[in-house]
Amino acid sequence: GAVVSQHPSWVICKSGTSVKIECRSLDFQATTMFWYRQFPKQSLMLMATSNEGSKATYEQGVEKDKFLINHASLTLSTLTVTSAHPEDSSFYICSARGQVTRANEQFFGPGTRLTVL
Amino acid sequence: EDQVTQSPEALRLQEGESSSLNCSYTVSGLRGLFWYRQDPGKGPEFLFTLYSAGEEKEKERLKATLTKKESFLHITAPKPEDSATYLCAVQASARQLTFGSGTQLTVLP
Repeated sequence: GAVVSQHPSWVICKSGTSVKIECRSLDFQATTMFWYRQFPKQSLMLMATSNEGSKATYEQGVEKDKFLINHASLTLSTLTVTSAHPEDSSFYICSARGQVTRANEQFFGPGTRLTVL
Repeated sequence: EDQVTQSPEALRLQEGESSSLNCSYTVSGLRGLFWYRQDPGKGPEFLFTLYSAGEEKEKERLKATLTKKESFLHITAPKPEDSATYLCAVQASARQLTFGSGTQLTVLP
């Protein structure tokens, strides 16, 4: 139980294009989803927190107009990187928390490797 | 500000050589301490949650313990497949996870 999927697992795009990453909770309803970014050999940095049906809360320094987050249902959240540039290349990971998990536990997706040329 | 420090940064063990990873934390109102395992190019895999000092959890060769200031992840008789980065995270009143930088474990056959 508590499985989270992400799609795509990797994506390569040209500078200036937009990329959408999907995060799904497969066997539970995720009331809260989180988006993280991870650079090589570094730990996870929280980008934003989203609750179903509400606007996402972004961490300091994260551009909300560049990283659009939508959490329209209890099983799906999307992250859209708009007008991507090479510096946006990174490993993006989502996690989810919901009623079937214990109150504070988060389960992570497998991650999406974004490369911007 | 919540802080999590993991040590050592990297650890190389021979197969069967038991050891411990440390996670020291400073938080205001700990709601939970979490251990994750992360393989290269993958998302973190949930291992344990500890909620209060004195609590212990076990899973196969891993055992996690918690005090008021730190947590240990004990690895007994590790195997090469235990090689991974082990992440510690804490959750305080803000309900967001604060991660440590991880310990990269390599178990040599």
